[in-house]
This record gives sequence, structure tokens and C-alpha cells, in this order.
Amino acid sequence: GENVEQHPSTLSVQEGDSAVIKCTYSDSASNYFPWYKQELGKGPQLIIDIRSNVGEKKDQRIAVTLNKTAKHFSLHITETQPEDSAVYFCALAAGNKLTFGGGTRVLVKP
Amino acid sequence: DTGVSQDPRHKITKRGQNVTFRCDPISEHNRLYWYRQTLGQGPEFLTYFQNEAQLEKSRLLSDRFSAERPKGSFSTLEIQRTEQGDSAMYLCASSFSGTYNEQFFGPGTRLTVL
Repeated sequence: GENVEQHPSTLSVQEGDSAVIKCTYSDSASNYFPWYKQELGKGPQLIIDIRSNVGEKKDQRIAVTLNKTAKHFSLHITETQPEDSAVYFCALAAGNKLTFGGGTRVLVKP
Repeated sequence: DTGVSQDPRHKITKRGQNVTFRCDPISEHNRLYWYRQTLGQGPEFLTYFQNEAQLEKSRLLSDRFSAERPKGSFSTLEIQRTEQGDSAMYLCASSFSGTYNEQFFGPGTRLTVL
């Protein structure tokens, strides 16, 4: 089945700095790439997504880039704040189900 | 609150017992998904429904697991003869088939099998 590699597994940044998480995949049929944020004891929350016909998308402090040729996509968080601390998951879909990466635990230090 | 809801939020059971979880999707969503998440891992797909039809099942969904969505609204996931390896967070998500599969998740049901 589809495999998604996510790096790093943990990321510690100083408040105000940027955080970047990268995912790589193998199935070229994948055409939808969402990112989820999961806080302790809660379900994953969709924060941004990108489709295969777009290379970059931005929403306030969050941006996602997609390189379909190289089969990788990345999440960029700028001006990090303590409330950005959470586990972030990349995912992808070629059909109706999502395949998730292993997650990145982000800690923003005040 | 118009998001996805799940009940119960926590369930502790003894090995060999049967358990049933419920999911209520966002009201206008016709697709409903079940995922399982173990500690430190990303969610793994189990099955999904479009309206009342179960259209896909993962090989993770053994014959002890059954899911239903009888009227195309809420769904139930039943696990029979629970095993310790079934301990996990069971997540439900819903989406509208007219979109690019934007799935919105509920808070999950955490199952502990003793």
C-alpha cells in the first residue's frame, strides 16, 4: 500500500522561529495532501490542504508546498507561538481513504 | 456544536468482551470513515461508507470487527471478543462527496482492553 515518510519525528523551536515538516511518498496517483494538527486527547484537526494541481498554498502563518516530481510536500509554520505546540500529521489520498505519516511532535518554547 | 461526535469517549473492557462505539457525522456529510490510532502513530484507515453503503474495508478490519451505517446518518463500530491488541483510539471522520475528500475528525473513543 501507500507509504508516507514524515520527518522529523520531534521538533523543538523557540517562539517566533519557523518550523518545517517534510513528508515523502511513493504513489504518483496521490492527488490530495492535507495536514492535521492533533492536541492531547483530541482528534486530528484539518489545518491546511493542497491539491496536485497546485504547488503552494498559504493561510496566515501556515503554508504548504508540493513537489509532485520529487514526491514530497512540506508544512511551514512561521512566527511560531506556544499554542502551535502539538503533533502534526501529513496525509495523502489517491482515492477516498487517507494514509497518514508517523507524525511530528512540535514543541514551541516561550 | 455541529462537528463530528463520538460516544463513548473512553471505554475500558476485559479481554473477550464485546464493545460498540457510535459516531455521528456532520449532518450534511454523506461519507463516514473509521480509523484506528495507536500511541505514537498516525491514524490507520479501517473502513468507509457513502450513505449507507460500506464501500471499502482495510485488511486491518478482521472478522471480529463490524461497522454499520443503517440509515446513512450515524454509524456504529463493534468489536467482538476484544483482545489486548485492540487497545487504541478509534476515530471517526466525515466528508462530503462533492469535495476533494476534506475529512473532519471527531474526538475519538479510547479503548483499553485489560
